[in-house]
Amino acid sequence: QVTLKESGPALVKPTQTLTLTCTFSGFSLSTSGMRVSWIRQPPGKALEWLARIDWDDDKFYSTSLRTRLAISKDTSKNQVVLTMTNMDPVDTATYYCARIPSGGHAFDLWGQGTMVTVSS
Amino acid sequence: EIVMTQSPATLSVSPGERATLSCRASQSVSSHLAWYQQKPGQAPSLLIYDASTRATGIPARFSGNGSGTEFTLTISSLQSEDFAVYYCQQYNNWPPYTFGQGTKLGIK
Repeated sequence: QVTLKESGPALVKPTQTLTLTCTFSGFSLSTSGMRVSWIRQPPGKALEWLARIDWDDDKFYSTSLRTRLAISKDTSKNQVVLTMTNMDPVDTATYYCARIPSGGHAFDLWGQGTMVTVSS
Repeated sequence: EIVMTQSPATLSVSPGERATLSCRASQSVSSHLAWYQQKPGQAPSLLIYDASTRATGIPARFSGNGSGTEFTLTISSLQSEDFAVYYCQQYNNWPPYTFGQGTKLGIK
């Protein structure tokens, strides 16, 4: 069974750095073609793609947020980590990790999401 | 960046009736489009990819159509569990992947 689960702080202060971890099971990010992305959703709003990391360690970022984002993976731990610097209240959102399977292009499986509030 | 525009923003349909949701891309995305369903308090789940291919386990009452810039998602006979928010997403020109703003499908 393939699962993904996000973890991280529920509350961060403005200007702080957010670190989120996606822990997955049922697949390996060392498998050719496998990819994991981070996507966020402010309360009551639409989905926004943030970043993607591939099996070969290629990394891709949102154009508007690329200076604040860093994505990495630990294949041995089945984890993908996203850091976002200089957090602002507008970054308050539910953050999801999602998989793109080998040979596919859509997000076929998602974690349950983790809600992050940015407030002093 | 490709902008995805969904219409209508909200749609009210009676159970058993047909619902048609639209998604328009600001430039051609070929058939590289997916549809997701999101129920309250849950993560999105994949319904359709490559514009018209149902994901694993998705009932046949869900169908996708279109290519280029115009796409539709049709639910042929609405069940109670189908009332949710639906998002389209393009994966033709990335980064970034882009989503529509969603269509909320409610009970009439």
